[in-house]
Amino acid sequence: GNSVTQMEGPVTLSEEAFLTINCTYTATGYPSLFWYVQYPGEGLQLLLKATKADDKGSNKGFEATYRKETTSFHLEKGSVQVSDSAVYFCALKNNQGGKLIFGQGTELSVKP
Amino acid sequence: NAGVTQTPKFRVLKTGQSMTLLCAQDMNHEYMYWYRQDPGMGLRLIHYSVGEGTTAKGEVPDGYNVSRLKKQNFLLGLESAAPSQTSVYFCASSSSYTRAGDPYEQYFGPGTRLTVT
Repeated sequence: GNSVTQMEGPVTLSEEAFLTINCTYTATGYPSLFWYVQYPGEGLQLLLKATKADDKGSNKGFEATYRKETTSFHLEKGSVQVSDSAVYFCALKNNQGGKLIFGQGTELSVKP
Repeated sequence: NAGVTQTPKFRVLKTGQSMTLLCAQDMNHEYMYWYRQDPGMGLRLIHYSVGEGTTAKGEVPDGYNVSRLKKQNFLLGLESAAPSQTSVYFCASSSSYTRAGDPYEQYFGPGTRLTVT
């Protein structure tokens, strides 16, 4: 079946450090891939997405590239800020209906 | 636009009590979803609906019922609450068609924190 695996958290970084959160997936066919972000006390918001192999999603300085050969969609940011502290979820959707499969989430804490 | 709203925000129940969580969306979305979020487990789909009057089971449906009598509302019911249902519940909605390059983005409500003692 479909599944998403993320690196374990929590991840603690200093401000301006480089961020990578690993995400790999198992799916049949050609899924769409997403990163959602959950700020403290809030619901999830779509951060970025990619719909086909080699697509790069980007938003707010975050990037992720859809790598079909390694079934990965790693999230990166060159210089994190304290305001990036949140929980990040990788997710996939097969192009049948709207159901998402989420990873377990990775908590990021950025210290000044 | 309010987007997706959920009521209540917090609730404490005793074992065996019942309650209904309400989700409302004003984006004219066809699809709606209920998830639960537990530490270390991400979000798991409880039930979903692809249109008014239709519902379907997700990954963890046991102990919950849902109804979608109106397109904009999706209700989640707990008939006899159990401590294992202590969780944060999120509702989401999405459109049913693919706009060019847009693969059914889901919009989430702020969540309901439920504690069952």
